[in-house]
Amino acid sequence: DQQVKQNSPSLSVQEGRISILNCDYTNSMFDYFLWYKKYPAEGPTFLISISSIKDKNEDGRFTVFLNKSAKHLSLHIVPSQPGDSAVYFCAASDAGNNRKLIWGLGTSLGVNP
Amino acid sequence: DAMVIQNPRYQVTQFGKPVTLSCSQTLNHNVMYWYQQKSSQAPKLLFHYYDKDFNNEADTPDNFQSRRPNTSFCFLDIRSPGLGDAAMYLCATSRGPQGGETQYFGPGTRLLVL
Repeated sequence: DQQVKQNSPSLSVQEGRISILNCDYTNSMFDYFLWYKKYPAEGPTFLISISSIKDKNEDGRFTVFLNKSAKHLSLHIVPSQPGDSAVYFCAASDAGNNRKLIWGLGTSLGVNP
Repeated sequence: DAMVIQNPRYQVTQFGKPVTLSCSQTLNHNVMYWYQQKSSQAPKLLFHYYDKDFNNEADTPDNFQSRRPNTSFCFLDIRSPGLGDAAMYLCATSRGPQGGETQYFGPGTRLLVL
């Protein structure tokens, strides 16, 4: 049973526009959410995170929004750049599960010049 | 810069020939993780160490073993690699369940089994 779902396998965006990547979860015990970016043949790079006590966290061009009632989070990238083209993974954890990360299947973002 | 280092970046081994992958970290984190990632899939946790305490995932094959001789180093041993073990192996660290929830990954070792 997929507890973390990224329903869009791929997304294509024009350079300079906003990229919105979505993630849904089913486990109400999750209290910490992370986004990772992965280039081919490299390890995932931590991008941004959010605790369940917040509904927004911002870091430069990246903003994560959390809607606990809908069990939904999204990553906004503004403005999108060609170097943002990568696979983005959403992950979640809870203290009761030893902070084990539960991963989505990823969304491949392509930013066109 | 504090980081997670994995060696080698690429490893070729023969079917059934034992292989060891290494990971070191300068972050002084308590927890070290080993993941397996196959293309187009999410990383799959194999096991982790919280300090010296070893935690194996229930579905990790016995063919995979790990050692953590000290805080900085962790090794993944594949005793008899099969063709299905060809994958990217990722090492990650975190401060620990109470001290930090974010895991930081190394660049990975891509294993090819001939």
